[in-house]
Amino acid sequence: GAVVSQHPSRVICKSGTSVKIECRSLDFQATTMFWYRQFPKQSLMLMATSNEGSKATYEQGVEKDKFLINHASLTLSTLTVTSAHPEDSSFYICSAGDLYTQYFGPGTRLTVL
Amino acid sequence: GQQLNQSPQSMFIQEGEDVSMNCTSSSIFNTWLWYKQDPGEGPVLLIALYKAGELTSNGRLTAQFGITRKDSFLNISASIPSDVGIYFCAVPRGSGGSNYKLTFGKGTLLTVNP
Repeated sequence: GAVVSQHPSRVICKSGTSVKIECRSLDFQATTMFWYRQFPKQSLMLMATSNEGSKATYEQGVEKDKFLINHASLTLSTLTVTSAHPEDSSFYICSAGDLYTQYFGPGTRLTVL
Repeated sequence: GQQLNQSPQSMFIQEGEDVSMNCTSSSIFNTWLWYKQDPGEGPVLLIALYKAGELTSNGRLTAQFGITRKDSFLNISASIPSDVGIYFCAVPRGSGGSNYKLTFGKGTLLTVNP
């Protein structure tokens, strides 16, 4: 089946720094990837759609200057949380589509001190 | 916007019992997906349903796509401790190709007592 990886699996950073999270599709090409955010005991919230070779599209209420997305190749999308603050602490999950379904990465736990 | 009503919110059962959970919506969908999420992990696709009335099994799991296309249920038979986790239903709200945005239900937290 389709495999999606994320790196790092967890990161702790100081407030004000930027953090980059990578999402890779390992055995298929993905022109589109998705980034989600999940708070404890809550469902997944779609943040943005990452499009290979073009700008990402963001969901309403998500700051595009805060969450920078780059989709430079058909197997890699990156999410950079800029000037991170404690309220950005969350579980970030990416996914990539395969025909009619999406396969999810294992997630990245971000903790901002 | 599209909302999925998933129930129950949580379940506490004994090992060996059967489990049933469902999702309903006021909107019609062409695809229903069921995912399981273990703590600290991303969701894993369990079953995908593409046709109204479709009944699909994956081991001890069985899911059905409601005939009205507005609901779906997931059954787990003879539960075991490793069934513990959060189960989500999801539907795509895009159209065409792989550019589907998924809408998730709020999840059902399953606890299995050995």
